[in-house]
Amino acid sequence: DGGITQSPKYLFRKEGQNVTLSCEQNLNHDAMYWYRQDPGQGLRLIYYSQIVNDFQKGDIAEGYSVSREKKESFPLTVTSAQKNPTAFYLCASSIFWQGGANVLTFGAGSRLTVL
Amino acid sequence: DAKTTQPPSMDCAEGRAANLPCNHSTISGNEYVYWYRQIHSQGPQYIIHGLKNNETNEMASLIITEDRKSSTLILPHATLRDTAVYYCIVRVESKLTFGTGTRLQVTL
Repeated sequence: DGGITQSPKYLFRKEGQNVTLSCEQNLNHDAMYWYRQDPGQGLRLIYYSQIVNDFQKGDIAEGYSVSREKKESFPLTVTSAQKNPTAFYLCASSIFWQGGANVLTFGAGSRLTVL
Repeated sequence: DAKTTQPPSMDCAEGRAANLPCNHSTISGNEYVYWYRQIHSQGPQYIIHGLKNNETNEMASLIITEDRKSSTLILPHATLRDTAVYYCIVRVESKLTFGTGTRLQVTL
């Protein structure tokens, strides 16, 4: 079955440590996205990438970094510069947007807790 | 940027139709309206989208007003499994921006 795999599902880290969250898709989608969700809140866009080796900042990119070396993979690093990293992180993918409709497919999420 | 406004919460009795409203008064002519839902601690699930015409699929119906400034998602026969947060979204350039959505509680 095609889909998006996020790992790990749960992650605990000490304050000041960098953390990398994995996102892999086998949908042959060009675009990939990272969102952050805090309790009781909606989703906020961190970074997105429309094609390999290219990505753009979203609304809350500070303290995060990404890479897009392969079409299938879009890892997110939560750096020590992120002041409040405890959150639920969601990865999504879609076809390359050229106008018209664009439906996102989401992974199951990764819950990061910083102790 | 086109933004959306939704009521924070709604209740619906099981078996009845759930009608979830969304206001998007600043939508531009070529922007689609999308609906997703999120069951607690899971990734959002796509439901339906539309541009001008009403749309229906196996999950729901989407009614868009003629002036496109608002829309309504209809779940025709709500079940307990439809309890979730429902997001109405309008595209902003190449990205989808989510608000806080409507928390739908389906009750017996």
